[in-house]
Amino acid sequence: EDQVTQSPEALRLQEGESSSLNCSYTVSGLRGLFWYRQDPGKGPEFLFTLYSAGEEKEKERLKATLTKKESFLHITAPKPEDSATYLCAVQTIPDKLIFGTGTRLQVFP
Amino acid sequence: DAGITQSPRHKVTETGTPVTLRCHQTENHRYMYWYRQDPGHGLRLIHYSYGVKDTDKGEVSDGYSVSRSKTEDFLLTLESATSSQTSVYFCAITGGFMNTEAFFGQGTRLTVV
Repeated sequence: EDQVTQSPEALRLQEGESSSLNCSYTVSGLRGLFWYRQDPGKGPEFLFTLYSAGEEKEKERLKATLTKKESFLHITAPKPEDSATYLCAVQTIPDKLIFGTGTRLQVFP
Repeated sequence: DAGITQSPRHKVTETGTPVTLRCHQTENHRYMYWYRQDPGHGLRLIHYSYGVKDTDKGEVSDGYSVSRSKTEDFLLTLESATSSQTSVYFCAITGGFMNTEAFFGQGTRLTVV
């Protein structure tokens, strides 16, 4: 059965304190892995797509990496506005799009 | 912003009544998805479509049906609403392989009383 697991469930950081979020997956076939940000009351907002092991993508303070079994979202020197729930999703073969339960990030000034 | 809209945005309905939610896209994307989001469960896939009249079940499809008669519209029907179907429902669209930046609608908050 296809499965996506994110850890930790919640993460509290001081402003400037770098950390990483984990997304591990078990799927029959992987087309791509996606990271999203979701703010309360809103739909998920696309951040990155990763297609193959070894690939990395960066956007401002965020960097996503991918291995054969997991992905990491690294947050460097976070700011309070980075507070949100971060969701990981995998698109399988055939094209289901399956999400993890997310990591709720809080960054305190 | 991607052209994807959900309607209605909010709905309150009674147990046992049928309810239809609509997802409309203007991106001509092939794939459309319906999810429900509940605390502690994240986004769970209900049904998805990979083309007109081509649909398949997700992990929580019981009590739901879908239809896609046109590329731009994907309808989700709760055949007989129950309180356990109170949730926030999201529609997503993607273009397919190597074009898989899935865009989401704003969500529909459904309350079954």
